[in-house]
Amino acid sequence: SAVISQKPSRDICQRGTSLTIQCQVDSQVTMMFWYRQQPGQSLTLIATANQGSEATYESGFVIDKFPISRPNLTFSTLTVSNMSPEDSSIYLCSVALAGTEQFFGPGTRLTVL
Amino acid sequence: AQSVSQHNHHVILSEAASLELGCNYSYGGTVNLFWYVQYPGQHLQLLLKYFSGDPLVKGIKGFEAEFIKSKFSFNLRKPSVQWSDTAEYFCAVKGDYKLSFGAGTTVTVRA
Repeated sequence: SAVISQKPSRDICQRGTSLTIQCQVDSQVTMMFWYRQQPGQSLTLIATANQGSEATYESGFVIDKFPISRPNLTFSTLTVSNMSPEDSSIYLCSVALAGTEQFFGPGTRLTVL
Repeated sequence: AQSVSQHNHHVILSEAASLELGCNYSYGGTVNLFWYVQYPGQHLQLLLKYFSGDPLVKGIKGFEAEFIKSKFSFNLRKPSVQWSDTAEYFCAVKGDYKLSFGAGTTVTVRA
């Protein structure tokens, strides 16, 4: 298994500002992912964070709004830019081991006022 | 594209009752199937998984799931629930490169 930590665990932000969420894994992993879980809804994949290259974004998500960094095999950041109340969600980091199994971090609960 | 459908939004049970949560997926090729659980205040944990082989898979805490390929289903079962099984349960499928989740089922077990 993998132990994943995220910072911050929660934050309350003003609209128009940006927040950077950090994800740290206790071992080197090839695949890292960022998900969003809006209130009362399921998890939606935002992007795949690739080490050494740009992230791969899913339909409906763009780099300008959700820039991602992946400087090495154990760390990634997700920035939520120019926030609006609609961005209030839980943001989760996830890693894949053994090719298919995925583990999830504790999440970052974001509230935008 | 792949998709996952969970039939129940909220299930309320008494302790010792049996639980079955329905999950159907849509994908034309080979899939890997998962059930994740999220206990109150905790993060997502893998409950069980199916990659290949025996379609009846057993997971942690007495849960099992059966993959029925002809029905594109992967239903979760537990013969006798406990109060500690109160949680959100998510079915997930991986057909192409990504993991897609169902909407989730909230299970409340009354003591």
